Amino acid sequence: AQSVAQPEDQVNVAEGNPLTVKCTYSVSGNPYLFWYVQYPNRGLQFLLKYITGDNLVKGSYGFEAEFNKSQTSFHLKKPSALVSDSALYFCAVRVAGAGSYQLTFGKGTKLSVIP
Amino acid sequence: DAMVIQNPRYQVTQFGKPVTLSCSQTLNHNVMYWYQQKSSQAPKLLFHYYDKDFNNEADTPDNFQSRRPNTSFCFLDIRSPGLGDAAMYLCATSRDGPLPYEQYFGPGTRLTVT
Repeated sequence: AQSVAQPEDQVNVAEGNPLTVKCTYSVSGNPYLFWYVQYPNRGLQFLLKYITGDNLVKGSYGFEAEFNKSQTSFHLKKPSALVSDSALYFCAVRVAGAGSYQLTFGKGTKLSVIP
Repeated sequence: DAMVIQNPRYQVTQFGKPVTLSCSQTLNHNVMYWYQQKSSQAPKLLFHYYDKDFNNEADTPDNFQSRRPNTSFCFLDIRSPGLGDAAMYLCATSRDGPLPYEQYFGPGTRLTVT
């Protein structure tokens, strides 16, 4: 079974400060990891993904995430937060393997960027 | 340009009255998904189609069914909605290949059961 943990229900950060949204995962096998963002009453939008290779992945809107296999983590980061980054962020994992489409999401972290 | 479209955006139905939610895509992706998202919870996969092959998650209730008449359209049928089925229903699509492609989500349909 695969699972994702986002230990913080909410993260508050001042505008202009760096932000981190934490994610740890558990899978049997090699993981594919994703970050999505959800604005109120909207569907999820893809931010970035890790498949293989460089542990530092860069994505949309200036976000990046670092894959750490030893710590089974995939934390989302941004050097300088914007008020418009305020949203709900979901980490997701999918196990590598043919025919495997199930994407398991964490429960989400609400990010609030304070002006 | 809208890529994954869901209709209606808001649906109110009565307890036990069948309801159908629709999803269409302009991406020509061969995989389509339906998720249920309850308030303040993670999206939960109900089922997915790989082309016309239907794949049901083990814990998806029999009350939920789906149809995919062609590549572009997919429907979610709830045969007898209960109060516990009130949720946001998200449709998503993705390409298929040797490596995982990201999923593209529609805006969702918020279902209210009265």
